[in-house]
Amino acid sequence: KNEVEQSPQNLTAQEGEFITINCSYSVGISALHWLQQHPGGGIVSLFMLSSGKKKHGRLIATINIQEKHSSLHITASHPRDSAVYICAVTGTASKLTFGTGTRLQVTL
Amino acid sequence: DAGITQSPRHKVTETGTPVTLRCHQTENHRYMYWYRQDPGHGLRLIHYSYGVKDTDKGEVSDGYSVSRSKTEDFLLTLESATSSQTSVYFCAHRDSGTEAFFGQGTRLTVV
Repeated sequence: KNEVEQSPQNLTAQEGEFITINCSYSVGISALHWLQQHPGGGIVSLFMLSSGKKKHGRLIATINIQEKHSSLHITASHPRDSAVYICAVTGTASKLTFGTGTRLQVTL
Repeated sequence: DAGITQSPRHKVTETGTPVTLRCHQTENHRYMYWYRQDPGHGLRLIHYSYGVKDTDKGEVSDGYSVSRSKTEDFLLTLESATSSQTSVYFCAHRDSGTEAFFGQGTRLTVV
């Protein structure tokens, strides 16, 4: 079992829809990261959080430390949001461990 | 550019040859990482470093070695490249309590 599990693996949405991507982890962590990767592109950090909730534009990330679960929400989705969204955790020895990603496709 | 540069960006090499990939960061961050990204596997940790000359293995370290003689540089060496090492390689850096920054990736093809 992977230390970091994401769901769903693939997601298709229509423009304007509210999107939720989930991440569960099984190890103790000091922080959780949400990252974005566009096709053929580099990897960009969206959020780093260790408790509570963060918001940036149409993106919201939440974390529940007790339940070892985090969610990434996208409000009013747009085709330019189409990308792979990756959850990663900073655990023991400062290793950065990744989930396998959620491929999001937003259509018109 | 998140203060990180990978070189080369693309490389084709023959089976059995040694290959070195370079990661250079300008942020003076303590931690540096090498990952490979393959379809269906996501990003898998090869090696990481928590300081100059301090490195440790990740989950897919066989066939790879690393060196960090300066804070800013983290080198990944494929001692004798194999076709199974054809992949996209990403370097990352971070400091305690900071977000992670990623290089643009190196596409390596072993023929």
